[in-house]
Amino acid sequence: SQELEQSPQSLIVQEGKNLTINCTSSKTLYGLYWYKQKYGEGLIFLMMLQKGGEEKSHEKITAKLDEKKQQSSLHITASQPSHAGIYLCGADDEYGGSQGNLIFGKGTKLSVKP
Amino acid sequence: EAQVTQNPRYLITVTGKKLTVTCSQNMNHEYMSWYRQDPGLGLRQIYYSMNVEVTDKGDVPEGYKVSRKEKRNFPLILESPSPNQTSLYFCASSLLSQETQYFGPGTRLLVL
Repeated sequence: SQELEQSPQSLIVQEGKNLTINCTSSKTLYGLYWYKQKYGEGLIFLMMLQKGGEEKSHEKITAKLDEKKQQSSLHITASQPSHAGIYLCGADDEYGGSQGNLIFGKGTKLSVKP
Repeated sequence: EAQVTQNPRYLITVTGKKLTVTCSQNMNHEYMSWYRQDPGLGLRQIYYSMNVEVTDKGDVPEGYKVSRKEKRNFPLILESPSPNQTSLYFCASSLLSQETQYFGPGTRLLVL
């Protein structure tokens, strides 16, 4: 079965610093989603990537999917306290999402020190 | 405002006492699903629904029931809750199964 590994598990950065979170799949990714979760709250959709080599940006967050479609990275530029939370990558399951089941990584907890 | 709502947000109950967690979306989405989130295990799908009257099991369906009588609502039913169902539950919806899923705010359940 497909698994998603996220690294690092947790990250503490000084405000203003850049950071990168990685998400690696054991199988080819059909659709890769990035979500942000604040403690005890719902998941906020950030970005979705489908094509090998695809890159999307929103404000200071950039997500990339590698050419082989097995790894994605999320890069935050000039981090702010508002970026703190848990970042989750999710992917369509091995059936290509036909059942809508998203497989999730275990998350990366980001803390930003003012 | 387009959203997925869940009720209640927090619930403490006792073993064996039937409960229902409601989920509603106002985006006319066909696809809806339930996930549970547990430390160290991440998010796992419980049940999903492709459309009205069409539901199917996800990865961890044991101990749960669902129904989809209307497009907007997808309640999660625990007929006889047990402590191992203590978890954070999320409802999600999307236009179609392969589209981006939007999540509700979560329901934190404690079963004593």
